Amino acid sequence: KAGVTQTPRYLIKTRGQQVTLSCSPISGHRSVSWYQQTPGQGLQFLFEYFSETQRNKGNFPGRFSGRQFSNSRSEMNVSTLELGDSALYLCASTPFLVGAYNTEAFFGQGTRLTVV
Amino acid sequence: GQQVMQIPQYQHVQEGEDFTTYCNSSTTLSNIQWYKQRPGGHPVFLIQLVKSGEVKKQKRLTFQFGEAKKNSSLHITATQTTDVGTYFCAAPDNYGQNFVFGPGTRLSVLP
Repeated sequence: KAGVTQTPRYLIKTRGQQVTLSCSPISGHRSVSWYQQTPGQGLQFLFEYFSETQRNKGNFPGRFSGRQFSNSRSEMNVSTLELGDSALYLCASTPFLVGAYNTEAFFGQGTRLTVV
Repeated sequence: GQQVMQIPQYQHVQEGEDFTTYCNSSTTLSNIQWYKQRPGGHPVFLIQLVKSGEVKKQKRLTFQFGEAKKNSSLHITATQTTDVGTYFCAAPDNYGQNFVFGPGTRLSVLP
């Protein structure tokens, strides 16, 4: 069974640009959650998508957005990049809504975004 | 919002020594999960604890959930270099909608 796939693995962008990250969950998993990981802030929850709908959202500005497609693949977009957006972005897939079943999360390898 | 604290932030041990990390919450938790992230890797699920006072073992790893379900611990017996990484606890937020991760304990094992 293939794991969670995130692309690209590494990205370098310039301040002010926008970026789109992709996450393909484990086959059959319908929930995709996104996290930002930085040395100073740890793992911060961005949002969760389930059945193409955003179900939960963390405390991040509107520059961070996402969507989910009918095949459960998800994309995350960050517009008007800032230096502070440099981080490892992780997505996690679960069969169901995280909160509904408190199920374990399967993480992808992450996308390392550097904003210069 | 829900906060989960972990101590210590860092731990350096000699190979063969024991290691313990603690996770604490100010509120009662319905359950708690533990993850391990190797350097350069991604978090990998280790275990979930649900019952008050629950103790689970995985080889050299022992996980405990406090009686009041407000704290948890992960104990590693006789550490090995393969245990190197950051150990995170995660618990449902106040609304039970997503998991809040603790800041993690970074373990270094000196050979």
